[in-house]
Amino acid sequence: NAGVTQTPKFQVLKTGQSMTLQCAQDMNHEYMSWYRQDPGMGLRLIHYSVGAGITDQGEVPNGYNVSRSTTEDFPLRLLSAAPSQTSVYFCASSYSQGEYEQYFGPGTRLTVT
Amino acid sequence: GESVGLHLPTLSVQEGDNSIINCAYSNSASDYFIWYKQESGKGPQFIIDIRSNMDKRQGQRVTVLLNKTVKHLSLQIAATQPGDSAVYFCAEIEVSNDYKLSFGAGTTVTVRA
Repeated sequence: NAGVTQTPKFQVLKTGQSMTLQCAQDMNHEYMSWYRQDPGMGLRLIHYSVGAGITDQGEVPNGYNVSRSTTEDFPLRLLSAAPSQTSVYFCASSYSQGEYEQYFGPGTRLTVT
Repeated sequence: GESVGLHLPTLSVQEGDNSIINCAYSNSASDYFIWYKQESGKGPQFIIDIRSNMDKRQGQRVTVLLNKTVKHLSLQIAATQPGDSAVYFCAEIEVSNDYKLSFGAGTTVTVRA
């Protein structure tokens, strides 16, 4: 199993550009989520999904969209990048919503200039 | 508001000694507490969890203690090794809040040879 994979590993955007961060897992996990990690802070939940076709907002959803058309994939879209979205983004998955052991991907470091 | 936090942002430990990482929380409704380890350039990795109705749980070289009276959580690492150098996060889950994970800011542990 590859586990949770994320692409790209690094990305630089200009303000106003849009892009999609990719996340995939091959563990047949129902629950997937996106977090952002800023210096000196813990991870903050952006969006999550309890299964294909179902998504919901987390703590900091503004400026981001998600969709879950398949169990395996959970892309995160930045609609119009802003410098405040400069961060490291982590995707995570677990077997179910109530499964506390979440598996995290390696992260995408995004810089918005 | 509710928050999960850590007492100290950094901890330096001599190799072979025991490490104690502390965490304070304010949400008395939390059902589970989890410790994650994040090595440089990687995503967080699950270490151990504890239910709110427990006081202590042991894993391999790690012990988590929960004191609900003072809302304090600690992670003890026995015989600290160089590979234990990482950032450690405590996180809480409230089942009635859709099982969302709330992370603290993290403690950076450095192991001295």
